[in-house]
Amino acid sequence: QQQVRQSPQSLTVWEGETAILNCSYEDSTFNYFPWYQQFPGEGPALLISIRSVSDKKEDGRFTIFFNKREKKLSLHITDSQPGDSATYFCAASANYAQGLTFGLGTRVSVFP
Amino acid sequence: EAAVTQSPRSKVAVTGGKVTLSCHQTNNHDYMYWYRQDTGHGLRLIHYSYVADSTEKGDIPDGYKASRPSQENFSLILELASLSQTAVYFCATTGKGNNQAPLFGEGTRLSVL
Repeated sequence: QQQVRQSPQSLTVWEGETAILNCSYEDSTFNYFPWYQQFPGEGPALLISIRSVSDKKEDGRFTIFFNKREKKLSLHITDSQPGDSATYFCAASANYAQGLTFGLGTRVSVFP
Repeated sequence: EAAVTQSPRSKVAVTGGKVTLSCHQTNNHDYMYWYRQDTGHGLRLIHYSYVADSTEKGDIPDGYKASRPSQENFSLILELASLSQTAVYFCATTGKGNNQAPLFGEGTRLSVL
C-alpha cells in the first residue's frame, strides 16, 4: 500500500497560471513533509518543506497548504514558468533521520 | 559548498556480478542514505547510516549491502546483481540536529544485463 499518494500523475499549465499538486498520506505519525523538484538526469532537489504544526508555508512562488485532520497537503506554484517544468515529489517522515517515504511524483509541464 | 558526489555516474553490469556504488560527501553530515528510483516511480530507501561503521536497513534492503567506512563515504554493494536491480541509485545526506530534508547526489544509472 502506497503510504504517500500524489495526484495528478501529470499536469499541464500555461505560463502564468497556478499549478496545484496534491499529496495525501496514511501514517499519522508523519510530521515532516518536504517537496522535491527533479529535472531529467539530475538528483531531487529540496524545494520547500513543512512540519505538521503548521498549516501553510510560503517560499516565493511556492506554497504548501497542510490539513492534518484530513492527512492531505498541496503544493501551489503560482505564476508558473517554463523553467518549473519538472517532476515534483511529495515526501514524508516521522523521524527524518530514518529517511523519507516518497510519493510517485507529479510531472508538471509549463507551456509558454 | 556542500556536496554529495556519486561514482560511477553510470554502469553496465552482468547478471550475477558484483557491483559497488560509491558516495562521498563534504557536508560533514552524520546521516547518509541510499535510495533507488525506477523509471516513472518515486524513490525507495535501501539502507542508511547514522555513523561510521554502522548501517541500518531501509524499506527494500534485500539483495543489497551497505558499508560506511568513514563519515564521508558510504557504499552500496550488490553481491550478485540481478536484472531487477536495474535502476537509478541516489545517495543523500543530512546532519544531526540539522532538521533538514536530505541533500541528494546526482545519481548512478545502473543497467544489469
